[in-house]
Amino acid sequence: GENVEQHPSTLSVQEGDSAVIKCTYSDSASNYFPWYKQELGKGPQLIIDIRSNVGEKKDQRIAVTLNKTAKHFSLHITETQPEDSAVYFCAANEGGSYIPTFGRGTSLIVHP
Amino acid sequence: GAVVSQHPSRVICKSGTSVKIECRSLDFQATTMFWYRQFPKKSLMLMATSNEGSKATYEQGVEKDKFLINHASLTLSTLTVTSAHPEDSSFYICSAITDKSEAFFGQGTRLTVV
Repeated sequence: GENVEQHPSTLSVQEGDSAVIKCTYSDSASNYFPWYKQELGKGPQLIIDIRSNVGEKKDQRIAVTLNKTAKHFSLHITETQPEDSAVYFCAANEGGSYIPTFGRGTSLIVHP
Repeated sequence: GAVVSQHPSRVICKSGTSVKIECRSLDFQATTMFWYRQFPKKSLMLMATSNEGSKATYEQGVEKDKFLINHASLTLSTLTVTSAHPEDSSFYICSAITDKSEAFFGQGTRLTVV
């Protein structure tokens, strides 16, 4: 089955800096890669996703890149703000499956 | 994005009683919904896959008689924790899948068994 590794587990940045979270996956047939933001006591919220036919996708301050050859994908947040502080999860869907495999999560702390 | 509503957000129950948690897809139909359990500072642990009109598929180690799942319509799945014990205290989260394989999550339910 799919295995998703996520790094770092904790990321501390100053407000205005950029933050990058990286994930690798094992199943070359995976074709859908969503990212979720989870605030304390709430369910995960889908913030951006990318499919295997695209190398990069951007939505305002958030961007995701995908390298299918190396089997890794990354989340980039620019101009970070304190409200970006949360736990971020990457996920990968095994090819042909709708069941996402999640990474272990990254706790992002943005210091004002 | 699509909206998934989970209710209740918090519940406290006595040991030995049962608790039902509802998960609704508000603006789309979901043939498939998932139920997760999340421990503090941990990732989401898949408990079971809920399929509309058929029996749920449980992950290894999850007791199907303890965690009853019903997916009677395309917009509603329920998880009933039967004969709850303190060790069942946790954060339970549901998600529903769109026809584009996107997963949207409910707000989560904090269950405390006393």
